[in-house]
Amino acid sequence: DAKTTQPPSMDCAEGRAANLPCNHSTISGNEYVYWYRQIHSQGPQYIIHGLKNNETNEMASLIITEDRKSSTLILPHATLRDTAVYYCIAGQGGSEKLVFGKGTKLTVNP
Amino acid sequence: NAGVMQNPRHLVRRRGQEARLRCSPMKGHSHVYWYRQLPEEGLKFMVYLQKENIIDESGMPKERFSAEFPKEGPSILRIQQVVRGDSAAYFCASSPLRQGAGNIQYFGAGTRLSVL
Repeated sequence: DAKTTQPPSMDCAEGRAANLPCNHSTISGNEYVYWYRQIHSQGPQYIIHGLKNNETNEMASLIITEDRKSSTLILPHATLRDTAVYYCIAGQGGSEKLVFGKGTKLTVNP
Repeated sequence: NAGVMQNPRHLVRRRGQEARLRCSPMKGHSHVYWYRQLPEEGLKFMVYLQKENIIDESGMPKERFSAEFPKEGPSILRIQQVVRGDSAAYFCASSPLRQGAGNIQYFGAGTRLSVL
């Protein structure tokens, strides 16, 4: 699985968009980019994933660069409840393990 | 559709006792994964199972730890002769059998094991 690099922490004002970057320069052609988050000590929560195209769902948008070496998770209107550690993971589409790094600790401030 | 169910939520054991952690996957999911999160650390993969088969146990400690996912019933993570270093949050995840669309894993709330 490709290694991912994320900033250790970020701050965002409530109501503003939160843009979380992730570098995955060694990603292979068949590897997806997954985003999960962990709020305090809860179980990780799936957010979104993509292969090549940008993706959007009710939680977030995922922007993947054309060369697929980096991506950005966008929370369009961050709330206090979005404060969490966000993990960017590169992995194949088969049924295999997820390799979690240290993630980005996002703090949404009032 | 109920999510991934783990029980107990909290488990206290004395050194040398056995710990049994249970995980019921989401309905229709045939893949189960166990992860461990030590205090102040990230999640680490332990084992991946399908019904009656261990597919990948590369993250399991060599001794005292075992896992199963029987044909009927929940998946069990068993830790024999627990030591203080086993104190952690153990998370179970499940995913459906689906190829070519990415592997979305859905996590339970975890079992917090405390070894006295």
